[in-house]
Order: sequence, then structure tokens, then C-alpha cells
Amino acid sequence: DAGVTQSPTHLIKTRGQQVTLRCSPISGHKSVSWYQQVLGQGPQFIFQYYEKEERGRGNFPDRFSARQFPNYSSELNVNALLLGDSALYLCASSLERGSFNTEAFFGQGTRLTVV
Amino acid sequence: TQLLEQSPQFLSIQEGENLTVYCNSSSVFSSLQWYRQEPGEGPVLLVTVVTGGEVKKLKRLTFQFGDARKDSSLHITAAQPGDTGLYLCAVKLGSYQLTFGKGTKLSVIP
Repeated sequence: DAGVTQSPTHLIKTRGQQVTLRCSPISGHKSVSWYQQVLGQGPQFIFQYYEKEERGRGNFPDRFSARQFPNYSSELNVNALLLGDSALYLCASSLERGSFNTEAFFGQGTRLTVV
Repeated sequence: TQLLEQSPQFLSIQEGENLTVYCNSSSVFSSLQWYRQEPGEGPVLLVTVVTGGEVKKLKRLTFQFGDARKDSSLHITAAQPGDTGLYLCAVKLGSYQLTFGKGTKLSVIP
């Protein structure tokens, strides 16, 4: 079975532009979460979607938005890019919304560089 | 303020040596997870510890959850180059959010 797949793997954008990152969860997984990992830091939670609805949001500005599609794939959108948005963006999928022993499986991430 | 403090931040050792990395907090948790992240990849779950004082072993890796469930350690015996990576501890806040420490970057030199 394929794991969590993210596209693109690398991306370079200019300040002020908009970007869309894509994630396909493991087949059968209904929950998708997005994380931002800045160099030298651990991943920081951005969003969780479950059954196509936003179930949680981290401490990120409104420039960040996301959605989940009927096939459970997801997109993360970032508007008005800033240099500080340069990071590895990770998608994680899990079977359930967040039960105690539910394991999150991470994709390899999208490396976004803002210049 | 960082919820989970990991130490050391960087560790470079020779193949065959033993090492311990730590994850500390002033908060009490119902469970704690350890992940390993290799360059260019996402984190991969190694273990979940749930009981105070619990010790779990995964081949040469030994994980311990503190008695008060505020801290955890990861001990690696006879480190190998394949152990190189970023070791992250994480806790689940609420029903959906994983909160990570900054990680320990381990380099095992052949």
C-alpha cells in the first residue's frame, strides 16, 4: 500500500505569492493533519481535517487555509507568502480523528522556499 | 515557552558508542511518543509510552517514561550509522494535535 504522498516535493516562490500544497492520505484514512517544520525545530500543528470538516487549527494566521475533498485528499493554501513561511510542510494521515492509540503517518513533506 | 524540552540539541558519536537523549516537561501527560526523522523524510513513530515508569525496548533502543509522566528518555546501545537522524518527542493535546519538542539531531560516525 502507498503511504502518505505529498506534492510537490520542492517549491520556490516569491514573497507575496500564493502556494497550494497537496496531500493524499493512506487509503482508508479519513483524518489529515498539516504541520510546519522550520529548520532546527520540531513540526508545528497547523490544521486537522476529519470527514471533510476542519476539526482543529493551530496558532497560524488567516493566510493559511486548507480543505479536504470527498476522497479525503487535502490541500493547504498559503497566501501572501512571507520569507518566514519557508519550511518543510508535512501532512499526516490517520484512521480516526484522534483516539488515544491512533498512529499518525507522515508524508515526506514539501520543502517550500520563499525568496 | 516550549512545552517539551529536548536535550542535547546535537549529538555526534562514534559507531558502537551508547547514548541517551532526554525529553522533559513541567506538565503531566497521559502518553508520550518518540519519532525519528531522517533527512528529506517525515517523522516515523518509534514508540508510545503510557504508564509512569514504563520501559519499552525496540531492538537496541530503550524508551522510558518517568514515574511522574513528565519526562522520558531514549537510550541507544551500540549506535550504528543507520541510527542517524532527528529524534523527536511528542505529546497529543486534545483529540487531534501533536505537539513536538525541537528534537535531538544525532550523527553516528562510522
